[in-house]
Amino acid sequence: GAVVSQHPSRVICKSGTSVKIECRSLDFQATTMFWYRQFPKQSLMLMATSNEGSKATYEQGVEKDKFLINHASLTLSTLTVTSAHPEDSSFYICSAKDRLAGYEQYFGPGTRLTVT
Amino acid sequence: QKEVEQDPGPLSVPEGAIVSLNCTYSNSAFQYFMWYRQYSRKGPELLMYTYSSGNKEDGRFTAQVDKSSKYISLFIRDSQPSDSATYLCAMSVNPGTYKYIFGTGTRLKVLA
Repeated sequence: GAVVSQHPSRVICKSGTSVKIECRSLDFQATTMFWYRQFPKQSLMLMATSNEGSKATYEQGVEKDKFLINHASLTLSTLTVTSAHPEDSSFYICSAKDRLAGYEQYFGPGTRLTVT
Repeated sequence: QKEVEQDPGPLSVPEGAIVSLNCTYSNSAFQYFMWYRQYSRKGPELLMYTYSSGNKEDGRFTAQVDKSSKYISLFIRDSQPSDSATYLCAMSVNPGTYKYIFGTGTRLKVLA
């Protein structure tokens, strides 16, 4: 149980284009989902918290107009990186909290974004 | 100074060895401590969590928290090649806020 999937697992895009990453909770309902970014040899950094049916809450320093988050259902959140640049290349990981469980968050397998 | 410090490794040990992984932290308000395991190209998986100082054991894994020293450890007994992964510590002042601060992770290799 408690499986979170992400799609795509890997994406390469050209500078200036936008890319959408999907995060799904497969066997539970997630009222809250989280988006993290992980640069090589660095720690996971929380980018934003996404609550179903409401606007995402972004961490300090994260541009909300560049990283668009939509959490339209209890099982799906999307992160769109708009006008991507090479410095946006990173590993993006989502996690989800089971609304019926405690504090634990379940992580997806991550999406490797490379902007050329 | 980072809030959470973790030696990135890599740490190589022979199969069957006892592994000790550690993190130090500077924020004395942290109350909730977690260890995650992350295999290559996968998301982190929660191994253990604890709220208090002392030891917590789960199979071959023991989590230890020393709040007075701001130091946490994860011990792995009888290590196996399948334990080879990156281990991340994470901490929070209030787990309900999900403001987790992660360490950079320690890469562990268990050699057969």
